[in-house]
Amino acid sequence: DAGITQSPRHKVTETGTPVTLRCHQTENHRYMYWYRQDPGHGLRLIHYSYGVKDTDKGEVSDGYSVSRSKTEDFLLTLESATSSQTSVYFCAISVHGGPAGELFFGEGSRLTVL
Amino acid sequence: KQEVTQIPAALSVPEGENLVLNCSFTDSAIYNLQWFRQDPGKGLTSLLLIQSSQREQTSGRLNASLDKSSGRSTLYIAASQPGDSATYLCAASTDSWGKLQFGAGTQVVVTP
Repeated sequence: DAGITQSPRHKVTETGTPVTLRCHQTENHRYMYWYRQDPGHGLRLIHYSYGVKDTDKGEVSDGYSVSRSKTEDFLLTLESATSSQTSVYFCAISVHGGPAGELFFGEGSRLTVL
Repeated sequence: KQEVTQIPAALSVPEGENLVLNCSFTDSAIYNLQWFRQDPGKGLTSLLLIQSSQREQTSGRLNASLDKSSGRSTLYIAASQPGDSATYLCAASTDSWGKLQFGAGTQVVVTP
């Protein structure tokens, strides 16, 4: 257990509404990631962060933004949710040696956009 | 772009048999390769991490090998148990940012 908490764990929302998912870590790991998991596509990287206010895009970043104002929190925002963003979202942190270290994942946030 | 493939997509074995799970990747310039386990509706649990300079890693009944030249990693699970039933994912890191490229996974069922 790498001390990762995701919230909310489940959310149902309507198309066009904003949604924010939160990833909280209890240790001061520098690198944090947001992935989404979909049948037929596996896990894909949305955004990642390498420090406070330092973020960059991943493979499927369109429609998503992130913020990291504190080391322990990494927020993923869907400005205007669409049905294609229905997915399970996982946060991950890198421990034991920095960016090429071992990744540990949270329990996931299941988002349904109607 | 790195592509990671896992074959077969599903596997069923009787309890006690050794499991062999395969992972292949197209770009041999990897930083590390990580194996995960995922139970239905749950997050990913890290099983083993192999750095690019290593040939294998072991943890209990699990052993993972890495052959960068051939673009392959294999996860061996000895003396399988029904509790080993899960989906196993491999992922390769090809940059210093720790970004992982995942395979689609192998769904394993161990029958009593």
